[in-house]
Amino acid sequence: DTGVSQDPRHKITKRGQNVTFRCDPISEHNRLYWYRQTLGQGPEFLTYFQNEAQLEKSRLLSDRFSAERPKGSFSTLEIQRTEQGDSAMYLCASSHPYRGEGTEAFFGQGTRLTVV
Amino acid sequence: AQTVTQSQPEMSVQEAETVTLSCTYDTSESDYYLFWYKQPPSRQMILVIRQEAYKQQNATENRFSVNFQKAAKSFSLKISDSQLGDAAMYFCAYRSGANSKLTFGKGITLSVRP
Repeated sequence: DTGVSQDPRHKITKRGQNVTFRCDPISEHNRLYWYRQTLGQGPEFLTYFQNEAQLEKSRLLSDRFSAERPKGSFSTLEIQRTEQGDSAMYLCASSHPYRGEGTEAFFGQGTRLTVV
Repeated sequence: AQTVTQSQPEMSVQEAETVTLSCTYDTSESDYYLFWYKQPPSRQMILVIRQEAYKQQNATENRFSVNFQKAAKSFSLKISDSQLGDAAMYFCAYRSGANSKLTFGKGITLSVRP
């Protein structure tokens, strides 16, 4: 069990460029979540998957954001036409809902995005 | 919609002393879970302690315990015998029993004085 892995750890991009982040959940975890955390704030929910199905998307997830989880394994989060307001830490988490109620979500170290 | 409020942005504690971090939440649901997560600087968030709403007994994990007041919708974290490694941001979080996403508070920065 190597934990939740996110790549890259840091990304600096120019405004208007597209970026893609990857998350590898803990193996056997069928739920995967994306959160966004800005400085001084708690993480805000963006979207989550159960296996390959995207079950919920936050209103925070504008049309420029898209997430996928092909084959129910790793997930990607793409931001098109980045804006300075997209600068944040993007956190991925995974969980296994069938290991008891209230089972915890395990978080990755995040991808810090800076849009210049 | 559920909300989680952490009104104290920062707290400081002397090493070996006890500190309590406050959290309140708002929900109309009866089935839910509450969590405290720790986020050390530049490191990933880890779970400190969880509380199921249907349990009356307060959760305890070694030096960490909670004071869960369901009627008051209060969920505070007590850290006993504080250690330097406890310095971090602490987030209170809520999860509905019907949904697996977490709703977080703004967090509190805890510093530990040697």
